[in-house]
Amino acid sequence: NAGVTQTPKFQVLKTGQSMTLQCAQDMNHEYMSWYRQDPGMGLRLIHYSVGAGITDQGEVPNGYNVSRSTTEDFPLRLLSAAPSQTSVYFCASSPTVGYGYTFGSGTRLTVV
Amino acid sequence: DQQVKQNSPSLSVQEGRISILNCDYTNSMFDYFLWYKKYPAEGPTFLISISSIKDKNEDGRFTVFLNKSAKHLSLHIVPSQPGDSAVYFCAASDGNNNDMRFGAGTRLTVKP
Repeated sequence: NAGVTQTPKFQVLKTGQSMTLQCAQDMNHEYMSWYRQDPGMGLRLIHYSVGAGITDQGEVPNGYNVSRSTTEDFPLRLLSAAPSQTSVYFCASSPTVGYGYTFGSGTRLTVV
Repeated sequence: DQQVKQNSPSLSVQEGRISILNCDYTNSMFDYFLWYKKYPAEGPTFLISISSIKDKNEDGRFTVFLNKSAKHLSLHIVPSQPGDSAVYFCAASDGNNNDMRFGAGTRLTVKP
């Protein structure tokens, strides 16, 4: 029972590069979301999905895209990386919105 | 705007004593509150929650208190153990909104 799996764990990008952070869950959860954690800022919601084919923006969506083609997967795409996107990214899932989320172990991204 | 605030970045207590972590919120629409615990290099893990229809919820050594009129909640850990040393995040959501807001976190250190 893997829970929420995020890959990669670490990544260094150059400014302007694009990449996809992967997130997969095996709990058949409908709700999935992406957060970023920055010092002194807590966790801020980037994008979320309430089911396959349905996504919406959170608090800080600019510079990120998401899609949800299956219940299991919820990738986060950085279109053109900027140093301000240096952060730790967490994917979370839940049976329903507002319930206790299960988080992945995070991806530490550095943009130089 | 930070709708969920944890004003104490850190807290240090002696093993066996009570730990009290505090959280304030500004959005009166929030009706569901959660606490998460986070160890280094891991994702947050759900600890305990409380609905706005209650003022107290208890789970073993952990108790969450909610004061709706003051827009304040607290997490009590009794007795505190060295293994409780972690960062604790307060979070809040409303039933109609998928945007769960997190506080900046409080680092708890329990000294043997």
